[in-house]
Formats: sequence, structure tokens, C-alpha cells
Amino acid sequence: GESVGLHLPTLSVQEGDNSIINCAYSNSASDYFIWYKQESGKGPQFIIDIRSNMDKRQGQRVTVLLNKTVKHLSLQIAATQPGDSAVYFCAEHLQGAQKLVFGQGTRLTINP
Amino acid sequence: NAGVMQNPRHLVRRRGQEARLRCSPMKGHSHVYWYRQLPEEGLKFMVYLQKENIIDESGMPKERFSAEFPKEGPSILRIQQVVRGDSAAYFCASSPSGVGGYEQYFGPGTRLTVT
Repeated sequence: GESVGLHLPTLSVQEGDNSIINCAYSNSASDYFIWYKQESGKGPQFIIDIRSNMDKRQGQRVTVLLNKTVKHLSLQIAATQPGDSAVYFCAEHLQGAQKLVFGQGTRLTINP
Repeated sequence: NAGVMQNPRHLVRRRGQEARLRCSPMKGHSHVYWYRQLPEEGLKFMVYLQKENIIDESGMPKERFSAEFPKEGPSILRIQQVVRGDSAAYFCASSPSGVGGYEQYFGPGTRLTVT
């Protein structure tokens, strides 16, 4: 079965606030994690990735945190904008496998 | 540099017909992945191919489904004798190498509707 899950299926935030999207995983052998953004009617778009030997990685307005002790991954979006409205998926790569395992997704909506 | 291309974008088939979904990876990419997505769900891995080889088909149903990635031309996902449960969005992704360390670039998907 799938090993990646999300704590919250929906998240509403005020425009300009920071958003935090969480993800739990259960495979200790996962060595690589990716966050994807999917807008309605489109394919997933890469946001940011992190290897298992790191605990934090920053991009433009986004930060991914990895806590291997509790098998938890989070995506932080700073100063959330209307264009950030989408479904966000975390995905993990199992070491030695050749596929990504996706979580259910969190729908992020932005309130004006 | 064009991204991953998929066609058709929308496909309607009656039960029992065949569906053929095409995927052209990004230029220079030799690894292709197919995923299926049901409404309000995440993507489920189906199959991973390199040129002329199926590397991992652990997520693909044993019957009615097949995939290929010929030396020339796009990757094809073929569904024979479609049933209503096959209705979903099918996404193709490509990468320059295997998954580890390289992001997968996704196409816009093909939305299959079985009537």
C-alpha cells in the first residue's frame, strides 16, 4: 500500500500569510522527497526536493523541512499569493526502487 | 525546449473499446513513467520504461494494460477493452536518468472517460 500520507486534506490561509503543508511517510528507506504543485486540469509541477541526508532546503519563497526521526516532511510557503492556490503533493522515492510514491494531496486555498 | 507532451488531452471511449495514450518525453530524456490519478486522489505509479525496455511495471494491472517506449517515437500506454473504472487522468513523466536525484517532469495528462 501507499506509505505517504498527509495530515490535512484542505488548508485555507489569508493572502500574505505563511502556509505550512505537512506530510507523513512510513518508509525509513526513502532517500529522496519531492513536493509537487498541481493546478486544476494540469500536471504536477515540481516545487522543491530534498535528500534524506538533509533536514532543510530553501527555494524561492518555499522551504522544505525533513524530520527523519518522526518521518515527517513539510512545505512552507512564505507570503502566500493567490497563484499558490492548488493541490500540493509530497512524494517519496524508495532507495533502490524506480518510482515515486505520492501522498493523497492537500488543497490550498487563499482567502483575499 | 518543449516540455513533456501528451495526447490526446481528452479521450472518450465506450466500454470494450481500446484507448491509446501517447507521451513524448522532454528532449534528451530517456526515462518515462506513467501514473494514474483518480479525482481527489494522488498519483499512483503504473510503469517505468527506458528506451525499448520496461524496467518496473509493478503498478500496472496484469490484464488489459500494456506500455511501450520504442526506439523511435513516443511512449504508448494502451488499455484494451476499457471499463468504467479505467476513467481517470493518466500522467506521463520523464527524467534524464533514474529517479534518484533527478526530478520527474510531468506532462499535462490525458483525461480518459469511459462511457
